[in-house]
Amino acid sequence: GQSLEQPSEVTAVEGAIVQINCTYQTSGFYGLSWYQQHDGGAPTFLSYNALDGLEETGRFSSFLSRSDSYGYLLLQELQMKDSASYFCAVPIYNQGGKLIFGQGTELSVKP
Amino acid sequence: DTAVSQTPKYLVTQMGNDKSIKCEQNLGHDTMYWYKQDSKKFLKIMFSYNNKELIINETVPNRFSPKSPDKAHLNLHINSLELGDSAVYFCASSQEWEQFFGPGTRLTVL
Repeated sequence: GQSLEQPSEVTAVEGAIVQINCTYQTSGFYGLSWYQQHDGGAPTFLSYNALDGLEETGRFSSFLSRSDSYGYLLLQELQMKDSASYFCAVPIYNQGGKLIFGQGTELSVKP
Repeated sequence: DTAVSQTPKYLVTQMGNDKSIKCEQNLGHDTMYWYKQDSKKFLKIMFSYNNKELIINETVPNRFSPKSPDKAHLNLHINSLELGDSAVYFCASSQEWEQFFGPGTRLTVL
């Protein structure tokens, strides 16, 4: 089967750096996605890593190690508006491209 | 210029009723999905359609019936609503690895 594990919650202060880890067990791995969801909102796409290494997009970076079945999302210069739930997800292409989501990490950014 | 839209945003109804949720995307994507998000925020795929054809049915009860009249629309009809159906339902569309989610429909069954 498929499963993804991530911490349920993380707390950090404004201006800090936080790393949200994700370990996965899947059959047929293509890549690791990250989505952000604010309370009452819809999940929005942040990043996708198909290859090992770090991908940087502004204050957010995402890392993948296929050999370790592990990835992380790194958020730098935290702002209050970054308080949200963050989901890692794995697309399953041989099953219509569906996403299998982790249970989500609730990030609280404090002043 | 909304990418993926859903109606209604909120739905409050009694047990046993039948209700529908509509979804439209104007992104020209071939693949559309329905996801259910429970009270613990766990997101789970329900159905996937590619160009109007059902690709995935994730062991969802028969009371849930999706319909795709064309590749831009994917509707969800739910019969004989139960308390456990209360959740937020998200429609999404995708081309390759990025999925675009609609705003969600919060269904409350009383």
